[in-house]
Amino acid sequence: QKEVEQDPGPLSVPEGAIVSLNCTYSNSAFQYFMWYRQYSRKGPELLMYTYSSGNKEDGRFTAQVDKSSKYISLFIRDSQPSDSATYLCAATSGAQKLVFGQGTRLTINP
Amino acid sequence: NAGVMQNPRHLVRRRGQEARLRCSPMKGHSHVYWYRQLPEEGLKFMVYLQKENIIDESGMPKERFSAEFPKEGPSILRIQQVVRGDSAAYFCASSPTLTYEQYFGPGTRLTVT
Repeated sequence: QKEVEQDPGPLSVPEGAIVSLNCTYSNSAFQYFMWYRQYSRKGPELLMYTYSSGNKEDGRFTAQVDKSSKYISLFIRDSQPSDSATYLCAATSGAQKLVFGQGTRLTINP
Repeated sequence: NAGVMQNPRHLVRRRGQEARLRCSPMKGHSHVYWYRQLPEEGLKFMVYLQKENIIDESGMPKERFSAEFPKEGPSILRIQQVVRGDSAAYFCASSPTLTYEQYFGPGTRLTVT
């Protein structure tokens, strides 16, 4: 079993829709959770990070962690074509190696 | 402030040759991490280094792979006697301290023919 599971998609939604991206994890020691965005042939870009359970909002993006169910979510409001990318969730118990999900390929259609 | 720099961006090697991948962390960052991304897979941790020290190499294959981060100069990931299965994108990340906020470079895409 992978420590972080993520549906690879692809996921295609119309412009303006609310996008929900999700991951589950199995390691109870994970305390820090990140979302990265990766455009094709580029390096991952840190979008958001949260510590333990709770919500964090940044503009159109909201990250949510539910440690009781080991569930990580990223919501994108008013989605734009420029949001089309692969979104990677990641988790770590400390501050060294990040454990990544497989990534979800998202396409926003104009 | 320049981001994490990696070179070369693309590298083609024949089976049996050596591949050397370089990573210059962001200015002020003294922690370097290497990850590998195989086609259709997420990133997998390989090694974590500080200047002149390997801190965690639990993700490194036992043979043919080595990494260093000298006092001066970039971090180097070296793959000896490459095989087709080494073809992947190799990403370097850096952070200013021991933190989960890791910033990634553009990657080196290695193709073994």
